[in-house]
Amino acid sequence: AQKITQTQPGMFVQEKEAVTLDCTYDTSDQSYGLFWYKQPSSGEMIFLIYQGSYDEQNATEGRYSLNFQKARKSANLVISASQLGDSAMYFCAMRFSSGSARQLTFGSGTQLTVLP
Amino acid sequence: DGGITQSPKYLFRKEGQNVTLSCEQNLNHDAMYWYRQDPGQGLRLIYYSQIVNDFQKGDIAEGYSVSREKKESFPLTVTSAQKNPTAFYLCASSGTGSFYGTGELFFGEGSRLTVL
Repeated sequence: AQKITQTQPGMFVQEKEAVTLDCTYDTSDQSYGLFWYKQPSSGEMIFLIYQGSYDEQNATEGRYSLNFQKARKSANLVISASQLGDSAMYFCAMRFSSGSARQLTFGSGTQLTVLP
Repeated sequence: DGGITQSPKYLFRKEGQNVTLSCEQNLNHDAMYWYRQDPGQGLRLIYYSQIVNDFQKGDIAEGYSVSREKKESFPLTVTSAQKNPTAFYLCASSGTGSFYGTGELFFGEGSRLTVL
């Protein structure tokens, strides 16, 4: 069965420090895509970063990087130099090759709070 | 600006009433999706559509119905058969192309439905 697990319901980080949000997945597919989204309190989902299962290098987008460990089936999000505006819910999501269209399966999320 | 528009943002319904949530996109995307989000949880797929006049059930389709008569529009009806309809509903779209492309979902701002 395809499953995404985020084991940290809530995380706190001091402003300007780095933080890692955990994500593990379970699949027997060889081809898949991993995504991270940010959901502020307003509710919209903001795409942050993508990692393909065949990508050899970890994805980076500005202050966001994805620590992809394929053998461990983990895709942790690293946010460097945290800002107060980073306080939000963060979701890990996965697109499976055996799935239809481009539907994503989401984890339960991690609520990140950045402290001044 | 290109994007996805959901309306209404807030909706109240009495038990036993059907209600329709609107979703319009001007991104020229082929695929559209409806997700449901309950407090403190991740997103669950209700329905998705890859092309006009075609749609498929997601993981929690019972009590919901959709139509896709135009590429730009994918309305969701929450019927009286849905036993627990109070939730946050998110519409999304994505372009077609290679599975190995990013193909991230673009989301609307959501509609919050409360059953009184």
